[in-house]
Amino acid sequence: GAGVSQTPSNKVTEKGKYVELRCDPISGHTALYWYRQSLGQGPEFLIYFQGTGAADDSGLPNDRFFAVRPEGSVSTLKIQRTERGDSAVYLCASSQTSGSSSEQFFGPGTRLTVL
Amino acid sequence: AQSVTQLGSHVSVSEGALVLLRCNYSSSVPPYLFWYVQYPNQGLQLLLKYTTGATLVKGINGFEAEFKKSETSFHLTKPSAHMSDAAEYFCAVKVGGASCSARQLTFGSGTQLTVLP
Repeated sequence: GAGVSQTPSNKVTEKGKYVELRCDPISGHTALYWYRQSLGQGPEFLIYFQGTGAADDSGLPNDRFFAVRPEGSVSTLKIQRTERGDSAVYLCASSQTSGSSSEQFFGPGTRLTVL
Repeated sequence: AQSVTQLGSHVSVSEGALVLLRCNYSSSVPPYLFWYVQYPNQGLQLLLKYTTGATLVKGINGFEAEFKKSETSFHLTKPSAHMSDAAEYFCAVKVGGASCSARQLTFGSGTQLTVLP
């Protein structure tokens, strides 16, 4: 009965480096979402997967951000050439179906700090 | 595009007092509305949601919210605050429909609730 898990819980990196953030959704959940939460703000949508494919990546801020879900389960959010403005908590959520009324279950997040 | 406004970034109430957290939304189509709670270093937890049907929605931990279309509001209430209610609360909206953009949640900026002894 595990929930959504995210690793690492904290990541500190230097400006210009590459980082990968991992999300393990609830088993059997077909939809997976990434959000970014900056200090003092609500989460902002980044990307949504239905199965293996990115159904909506309209929230990705620029081409330094990329996400994959190759087997329709675990997802990795990849950030190239990190900038200080990328510092935030990155949240992952999953839902059983992609229906718009379907509840999204959130993980604890990865806190990314770019020095 | 949809948006959410939460009035009051910080709300303080005394233990046992009424909790009222305000949320207004804008949406061009009928929305689905959600309230989430976030405890420190934990993920967001769903308190309650409105999709269709009864406009007064009851959630966990004694919270409820009423969807008022004419006021475009979805305020969260609890009759009697408990110390354990201290947390950050987020209102969120999803638009209904089949488009891919109907899947994403749009959040307000959050309200930090403090419960005073």
